[in-house]
Amino acid sequence: QKEVEQNSGPLSVPEGAIASLNCTYSDRGSQSFFWYRQYSGKSPELIMFIYSNGDKEDGRFTAQLNKASQYVSLLIRDSQPSDSATYLCAVTNYGGSQGNLIFGKGTKLSVKP
Amino acid sequence: EAQVTQNPRYLITVTGKKLTVTCSQNMNHEYMSWYRQDPGLGLRQIYYSMNVEVTDKGDVPEGYKVSRKEKRNFPLILESPSPNQTSLYFCASSLGTSGNEQFFGPGTRLTVL
Repeated sequence: QKEVEQNSGPLSVPEGAIASLNCTYSDRGSQSFFWYRQYSGKSPELIMFIYSNGDKEDGRFTAQLNKASQYVSLLIRDSQPSDSATYLCAVTNYGGSQGNLIFGKGTKLSVKP
Repeated sequence: EAQVTQNPRYLITVTGKKLTVTCSQNMNHEYMSWYRQDPGLGLRQIYYSMNVEVTDKGDVPEGYKVSRKEKRNFPLILESPSPNQTSLYFCASSLGTSGNEQFFGPGTRLTVL
C-alpha cells in the first residue's frame, strides 16, 4: 500500500515566522509531488508542484524534494494569518502528470498574529 | 468563469437507492478525478480519467462507478449506496500533464442512512 505521511499538527507559528511542513512517501517510484492548501470548509487548491531533487521557489513558498530520503517539504516564509489552513502533500508515480494521486492526511497550520 | 461544478451539493439518501453525482468542467481539461474526504483519513482518490473513454481506479473504487463519455462530464455513480459511503466528495480536473493545476469542485456532502 502506497503511503504518504504528514504530521497532523496543529503547527502553530507566529506571524512573520517561517513555517516548515514535512511529508514522507513510501513508493520509491514516485515522480511528481504536489502541495495543496485547504481552508476549512473549502476545496483544496494547488500551491506548488516539484519533480526534481532540490528546491523550487514561488514567492513566499519553497518546495524541497529529496528522493533518496523520500521526503518532500514546504517552507512558508513571512507567514501570515491568512496562511492558516490544512496543507496536503500529494504524490504520484506518473511523471509530469497527476494520474493516481495519493494524498497525505494533511498538516493543520495556525499562524498567530 | 472557469470552474468545476458538482451537483447536488448536499444529498441525504437511504441505503440501496442508486444515485449519481454529476461533475462538469468548462476548461477543456483532459484529466478528471473523484475523491472522497473523511475525518482522520484525508483525501482519497476513487477514480480518475486521463481522457474521454479512459478511466482508472484510484485507491478506493469499491462501490463506485464512473463514465467519461464526454470531455466535460465525469459523473460518479453509486449503484447501491451504503452508510460507509457517507462522506464529502470532490471532483477535480486539470490539463493533465506537467503538474498543471488541478481545479477542485465545491464538494458534495453525501449522507447515506
